[in-house]
Amino acid sequence: DAGVTQSPTHLIKTRGQHVTLRCSPISGHKSVSWYQQVLGQGPQFIFQYYEKEERGRGNFPDRFSARQFPNYSSELNVNALLLGDSALYLCASSFLSDRRSGANVLTFGAGSRLTVL
Amino acid sequence: EDQVTQSPEALRLQEGESSSLNCSYTVSGLRGLFWYRQDPGKGPEFLFTLYSAGEEKEKERLKATLTKKESFLHITAPKPEDSATYLCAGLNTGNQFYFGTGTSLTVIP
Repeated sequence: DAGVTQSPTHLIKTRGQHVTLRCSPISGHKSVSWYQQVLGQGPQFIFQYYEKEERGRGNFPDRFSARQFPNYSSELNVNALLLGDSALYLCASSFLSDRRSGANVLTFGAGSRLTVL
Repeated sequence: EDQVTQSPEALRLQEGESSSLNCSYTVSGLRGLFWYRQDPGKGPEFLFTLYSAGEEKEKERLKATLTKKESFLHITAPKPEDSATYLCAGLNTGNQFYFGTGTSLTVIP
């Protein structure tokens, strides 16, 4: 069974450009989360989607947006790229995202390495 | 503000030399404390979830424990293949994960 798949694996952009990152969750997982991991730091939460609805948003500017499709795959979009957006962008899927249920385990993809020049 | 702090930042051990990694947390209404392993160029890989103080979980040479303020990842007789960055994360009542910066472990043969 395929794990979480992300594309592209690596990409280089220049300042001011726009980027779209894609993620396919594990089959049966309805929740997708996006994280930014700067070199030497831990992952920082950007968005969570569940059943195509945004369930959480981290402390990121409006240049960052995301959506989830009917097949539960997801896109992360970043506009007006800055040098500081250079990072590994991780997508994670989980089976449940319900505040009333038990904590859920994130399964991460290998990430998309974005370099902004 | 919810926060997770890990120490040390880096740890070098001889093969077979046991040690512990620390994760201190202030997470509102902690719903779970998670440990992940991350190899270079890869996404984090799930190791353990701890839900309440006093809980312990083990997997091969790793044992995770939880108190009301900290979690420890004990590594017994490590091998070179245990070299990786170990991340801990707290899940709050808002269903948001807060990750620490990780401990980079190097096990020397």
